[in-house]
Amino acid sequence: KQEVTQIPAALSVPEGENLVLNCSFTDSAIYNLQWFRQDPGKGLTSLLLIQSSQREQTSGRLNASLDKSSGRSTLYIAASQPGDSATYLCAVRDGANNLFFGTGTRLTVIP
Amino acid sequence: EAQVTQNPRYLITVTGKKLTVTCSQNMNHEYMSWYRQDPGLGLRQIYYSMNVEVTDKGDVPEGYKVSRKEKRNFPLILESPSPNQTSLYFCASSQTSFEQFFGPGTRLTVL
Repeated sequence: KQEVTQIPAALSVPEGENLVLNCSFTDSAIYNLQWFRQDPGKGLTSLLLIQSSQREQTSGRLNASLDKSSGRSTLYIAASQPGDSATYLCAVRDGANNLFFGTGTRLTVIP
Repeated sequence: EAQVTQNPRYLITVTGKKLTVTCSQNMNHEYMSWYRQDPGLGLRQIYYSMNVEVTDKGDVPEGYKVSRKEKRNFPLILESPSPNQTSLYFCASSQTSFEQFFGPGTRLTVL
């Protein structure tokens, strides 16, 4: 069964810093990988979706990379802002359309 | 506006009293699913549906039922809720294998 791990579980950075969040998965036979943001008590907002044939996706200050063979993805956030404070989740989709989530990284950006 | 809606958003109930959490999407998506989110365990899939009248078990289906009589609706039914079903529940939808969209969540407390 697919297992998804996110390290670190929590991260605090000063405003303006660039940062990297990590996601690893045990089964490289994935269909795609999706990064989400979750604010406290709220639902999940999709940030980026990378298909298994792609290496990276970019949206504004966010860049996600995928190395399927090594079972890793990273989410790079440039010039962090206090509004980026949230929990970031990665999820991998298998061929049966099931989505497996990591437990998230709680990011705090200090003004 | 494209969205996934869930009702109710908050529910406190007692052990054994049947309840239904509704989920509706207006994007004509084929795929819908239910997740529960618990501290330290992340999001786990309860049930999913590939299309009308097609449902299947996820990782943690015990104690839950679903139905998919119409494409837009995917209710989650707890026939006899127990305290270990206290959790935050999310409904999600997508076109098969594409980006998943999540509802705002339903916080359920079973006393």
